Amino acid sequence: DVKVTQSSRYLVKRTGEKVFLECVQDMDHENMFWYRQDPGLGLRLIYFSYDVKMKEKGDIPEGYSVSREKKERFSLILESASTNQTSMYLCASSGPYNEQFFGPGTRLTVL
Amino acid sequence: DQQVKQNSPSLSVQEGRISILNCDYTNSMFDYFLWYKKYPAEGPTFLISISSIKDKNEDGRFTVFLNKSAKHLSLHIVPSQPGDSAVYFCAASPYSGAGSYQLTFGKGTKLSVIP
Repeated sequence: DVKVTQSSRYLVKRTGEKVFLECVQDMDHENMFWYRQDPGLGLRLIYFSYDVKMKEKGDIPEGYSVSREKKERFSLILESASTNQTSMYLCASSGPYNEQFFGPGTRLTVL
Repeated sequence: DQQVKQNSPSLSVQEGRISILNCDYTNSMFDYFLWYKKYPAEGPTFLISISSIKDKNEDGRFTVFLNKSAKHLSLHIVPSQPGDSAVYFCAASPYSGAGSYQLTFGKGTKLSVIP
């Protein structure tokens, strides 16, 4: 079974803090993704990576950056957290087929 | 511009009856479609998929129908069970080639199955 894990299930941070969300997959997948989910807006792609050290902007990259130093790990960074970044963050990975496997999500609250 | 649309934000169905969730798409490059199910505070889980060479795919109680000419797909759940209560997301991508590893998601439909 594919397993995608995320470093925290719940996180509370203050405005202006730097926030790291980490994601690890154990299936040697090439592709990894970061989404945020907000009520009424569905899943919106923030960034994705199709190889180590490669990254591509998704639909809403502003205020975020990513890092992929190892194939199994994909980090999402909020350089200076803001209240409008309060959301559910979901990491996913995929192999040669289109099906993406998701982690359990991180509920981030920025106060 | 939404390329994948789920026009019903919510749906309520009696236990034992059929649930029909609908999805429309506009991008003619999409030829692979997936449904995901999401419970609160959990990540989405893959449910069923269909490629454009088929018009129907069945897996147990779940069937997905694809109407390519109408750019419409639907997920049927028969019989519906209370454990099916969740948010269902429709997703689409090109099957191969450029962008094939990216999924475009709809906004989701919240299904409530009433005992």
